[in-house]
Amino acid sequence: DGGITQSPKYLFRKEGQNVTLSCEQNLNHDAMYWYRQDPGQGLRLIYYSQIVNDFQKGDIAEGYSVSREKKESFPLTVTSAQKNPTAFYLCASSIIKGRSYEQYFGPGTRLTVT
Amino acid sequence: GENVEQHPSTLSVQEGDSAVIKCTYSDSASNYFPWYKQELGKRPQLIIDIRSNVGEKKDQRIAVTLNKTAKHFSLHITETQPEDSAVYFCAASTIFYNNNDMRFGAGTRLTVKP
Repeated sequence: DGGITQSPKYLFRKEGQNVTLSCEQNLNHDAMYWYRQDPGQGLRLIYYSQIVNDFQKGDIAEGYSVSREKKESFPLTVTSAQKNPTAFYLCASSIIKGRSYEQYFGPGTRLTVT
Repeated sequence: GENVEQHPSTLSVQEGDSAVIKCTYSDSASNYFPWYKQELGKRPQLIIDIRSNVGEKKDQRIAVTLNKTAKHFSLHITETQPEDSAVYFCAASTIFYNNNDMRFGAGTRLTVKP
């Protein structure tokens, strides 16, 4: 289960608070991704980053922000502007060149906002 | 952007039977189609993938077929076993230099009854 880690596994926050989810990888992958997983909706792309100091919005970026200051790290901030933040969040990484484009997923963080 | 639809949302088969999950995609530029398996409480993991220059790929009991003209691809599992029970996600991506923005289907919950 090594390679890409997320912390914490469970996170509880009060409505109106920003919260930052951690994602770290030691796979030397260039690309990193954040997905949100809700029952019956699969994995929806929030943000992705192909290279340090650069990132692009996915399909549901509103209310979220990211940074990519280091290759190994891609933290996600869920802001108070996100209307329905309670969900399971998955981080992933991949190489973007070569024979394999497999995305390696972290164990996920379950965020509950009340 | 890419839109991936997946059917059925749930599938129940008897052990030993075959299971087929189908996906369609909207972006004709998509050229990489992976399938991920997510067991209960675990992270998604790649089980098979196919590129657009190939029509079919097989790995033991698992096969994937791709019809570029119709923009659909399917996962076939033969001789199903109880350990095949999981949620399966298809995905589509346009792979070229410095880009890998994968979009996932909503998932299929497969139950294999012993």
